[in-house]
Amino acid sequence: GENVEQHPSTLSVQEGDSAVIKCTYSDSASNYFPWYKQELGKRPQLIIDIRSNVGEKKDQRIAVTLNKTAKHFSLHITETQPEDSAVYFCAASENAGNMLTFGGGTRLMVKP
Amino acid sequence: DTEVTQTPKHLVMGMTNKKSLKCEQHMGHRAMYWYKQKAKKPPELMFVYSYEKLSINESVPSRFSPECPNSSLLNLHLHALQPEDSALYLCASSQEVGGPQPQHFGDGTRLSIL
Repeated sequence: GENVEQHPSTLSVQEGDSAVIKCTYSDSASNYFPWYKQELGKRPQLIIDIRSNVGEKKDQRIAVTLNKTAKHFSLHITETQPEDSAVYFCAASENAGNMLTFGGGTRLMVKP
Repeated sequence: DTEVTQTPKHLVMGMTNKKSLKCEQHMGHRAMYWYKQKAKKPPELMFVYSYEKLSINESVPSRFSPECPNSSLLNLHLHALQPEDSALYLCASSQEVGGPQPQHFGDGTRLSIL
């Protein structure tokens, strides 16, 4: 089955700095890679996703890059704000069952 | 924002009780999911329903019994749970199962087993 590794497990940045979270996956059949943000006591919220036919996708301060050859993908947050503080999960899935396999999560802390 | 509604928000039950968790979506999604999330861990898939039929059961113990009465509703019936079953239970939905489809989560039910 799929295995997704996520690093770092915790990340502390100063407000205004950039944050980068990296994930690797094992199953070459995986072709969909969403990122979720989960604030304490709240639902995982889909913030951006990328499909395997695309190398990069941006949405305002958030971007995701995908390297299919190396089987890794990354989340980039620029100009971080305190409200970006949360746990971020990457995930991977392949076509047939839409089953998401999640990485272990990254706790991002943005210091004002 | 898309919405998946889960009730109750919190549930405390004894090991001999029977209770049910409910999930509802009105987005016309045909795939619905149950996940279990322990503290400081990622969500773990339990069940997948596609067009109201159970399509995936991730080797979940029989004390958890899912039910999909119609395309908008998903229940999780609980019986004879163990303390280690205490967790956040999340429901999600997507348009369909086939093909990469974004999954949208509800707020979850926080379950405590005494």
